Amino acid sequence: EVVLAQSPATLSLSPGERATLSCRASQTIDNNYLAWYQQKFGQAPRLLIYGTSIRATGIPERFSGSGSGTDFTLTISRLEPEDFALYYCQQYGMSFGQGTKVETK
Amino acid sequence: QVQLQVSGPGLVKPSETLSLTCNVSSDSFSNYFWSWIRQPPGRGLEWIGYVFYSGSANYNPSLKTRVGISIDTSTQQFFLKLKSVTAADTAVYFCAGGNSWYTSLNYWGQGALVTVSS
Repeated sequence: EVVLAQSPATLSLSPGERATLSCRASQTIDNNYLAWYQQKFGQAPRLLIYGTSIRATGIPERFSGSGSGTDFTLTISRLEPEDFALYYCQQYGMSFGQGTKVETK
Repeated sequence: QVQLQVSGPGLVKPSETLSLTCNVSSDSFSNYFWSWIRQPPGRGLEWIGYVFYSGSANYNPSLKTRVGISIDTSTQQFFLKLKSVTAADTAVYFCAGGNSWYTSLNYWGQGALVTVSS
């Protein structure tokens, strides 16, 4: 069973700053099968990135994904007020990481 | 456009079976795979399992002995059954669907809170 570890648990940043979120897998993952989701309080998650680096429909260009093997990254180039939320990675449509909270500094 | 909606009881007694239905509206029901995910209050997302159009399913190993997911292609519904529930199964249950190739969950229902309590 693949375990995903996300870091940091909480990221405190200001609007306009760059956010870098990490997702590390306990085993190698094929790049096609790593996805990132955003969840706001009281809402269902929303798909941001799939296939490690492909933005889902309607996702702004400030969101980008990268990585390979066991190390994957979600980058938000310039934080907008609506980007302060929880972020999860997921592998092979199965296990999720424990999440990173991006909060306002 | 794909829409999903969870239906089922919001309260289940300990040791009983939790049963939920996901009603899907989609022009491409056969092209996607369909998943159940849950989120205990104040905690992260937990994958429960998924089912393909063919009926083939895969489950979280930690729940495998208690869970069953099935699909009815004629009505565009898929189902979750979780046996022998305890308070630890109290959560918001989401149904979701997405791209079978990339195994990404592009579409999510709104979620339904299920409380396990006597």
